[in-house]
Amino acid sequence: IAGITQAPTSQILAAGRRMTLRCTQDMRHNAMYWYRQDLGLGLRLIHYSNTAGTTGKGEVPDGYSVSRANTDDFPLTLASAVPSQTSVYFCASSDWVGQPQHFGDGTRLSIL
Amino acid sequence: GENVEQHPSTLSVQEGDSAVIKCTYSDSASNYFPWYKQELGKRPQLIIDIRSNVGEKKDQRIAVTLNKTAKHFSLHITETQPEDSAVYFCAGSNDYKLSFGAGTTVTVRA
Repeated sequence: IAGITQAPTSQILAAGRRMTLRCTQDMRHNAMYWYRQDLGLGLRLIHYSNTAGTTGKGEVPDGYSVSRANTDDFPLTLASAVPSQTSVYFCASSDWVGQPQHFGDGTRLSIL
Repeated sequence: GENVEQHPSTLSVQEGDSAVIKCTYSDSASNYFPWYKQELGKRPQLIIDIRSNVGEKKDQRIAVTLNKTAKHFSLHITETQPEDSAVYFCAGSNDYKLSFGAGTTVTVRA
């Protein structure tokens, strides 16, 4: 079934550790996005990529980095995790920018 | 950047009644307005969207209206059913960045 796969599903991480959240899509979508979802704040854009090889900063990029080496993969890295990064992280993709975005199942991340 | 505000934050309706959620946006250049439904523990799912060149769009029991002059758009759900209970998010975009509202928790009472 075509779609977006995120891994891991959930993770508990000690503060200061490095963590990479994985996101893979098989729809050949050009654009991909990372959001974090916190209660009462909706979904906030962390980073995005319009096409393979390009990335950009969203609303809350500090403490996160991304790469887009190919069309299908868009990993999100926390270089040194802090408790305020405890959240649910969603990866999304769209055919092109400005087109409907489709979301993965999310990664629930707890930083202790 | 775009700022989207959503009201109400919670909404309780009797089964069979209508539900209306309203959103306002700040950037007059925004031209794409999707609505997402998120059930507990699930991913957000697109339920309907509208572009700035259209004033209204309908899909079965769901409709969205857009007032560009006033910079607000609304989601209307008619004949609500228990499965409509979820959190609904509006969003606005003027290019590639979607800015989301904070969400409305809709509860349909049987």
